[in-house]
Amino acid sequence: EAQVTQNPRYLITVTGKKLTVTCSQNMNHEYMSWYRQDPGLGLRQIYYSMNVEVTDKGDVPEGYKVSRKEKRNFPLILESPSPNQTSLYFCASSSRTGENYGYTFGSGTRLTVV
Amino acid sequence: AQTVTQSQPEMSVQEAETVTLSCTYDTSESDYYLFWYKQPPSRQMILVIRQEAYKQQNATENRFSVNFQKAAKSFSLKISDSQLGDAAMYFCAYRSPVTSLFGNEKLTFGTGTRLTIIP
Repeated sequence: EAQVTQNPRYLITVTGKKLTVTCSQNMNHEYMSWYRQDPGLGLRQIYYSMNVEVTDKGDVPEGYKVSRKEKRNFPLILESPSPNQTSLYFCASSSRTGENYGYTFGSGTRLTVV
Repeated sequence: AQTVTQSQPEMSVQEAETVTLSCTYDTSESDYYLFWYKQPPSRQMILVIRQEAYKQQNATENRFSVNFQKAAKSFSLKISDSQLGDAAMYFCAYRSPVTSLFGNEKLTFGTGTRLTIIP
C-alpha cells in the first residue's frame, strides 16, 4: 500500500530535550515536505526537500532541522524544543507530475512540549 | 504571496441535504492547482478533490463537486446527500506551478471549515 509513515503518533517532551520525528514514504517520490497545523492557522510549511541532499526552508523553519540522506526518509529534528513548538505535525510527499498529481500525507504527530 | 481564505469556521447540515463550503484565494498566476482536503477526527489528511486552473470544467468526485470561478478566484466545495461520515474539518489549499526541477511545491492552506452533520 502506498503510504507515508510518521512516528511517533504522540509525543510529550520537556523543553530543551532534542527529539526526532521520523517520516518514510514507499512511493519513490522525489518531493517531501513537513507542515505544522495550529488552530486558526491551517497548515504551514516548515521545510521541504526536492531530492536527496536537497532541502530548503518553508514559511516557519525556525527551531527545526531536516535531513534527506535517502530518498524515502525525511526526518524532522527539533534540537531544543520550546513550548511554542507544541503542534500537530504532518509529513507529506508528492509525485510532482502526472495526471493523478497530489500529495500523500502521513497520519500526523501530536507533539506537546512542556 | 498567495493567500487562501475560508470565511466559514463552522458549518452544519442535515443528513442527506446539500452543503457548500466556500474558499477564495489570491494569486497573480494563471496556472495553478487547487485542492480540498478532509480531516476527520482521526487527523488523517484525505484528498477530496483536485482542480487544475487551466481546465475550465469543474471537477467532480461522486457526491463532491466544485464550483471553480477563476476570474473571481473562488473555489467552493459542494457536498450532496451529506452523510454522517462527512463530518470533518475541510481545508482548501492552493499550489503554485512548479517552474524548475527544484521548485517548491508548497501547499498554501486556508484556516479550515468544521462541518457537522445533523442526523
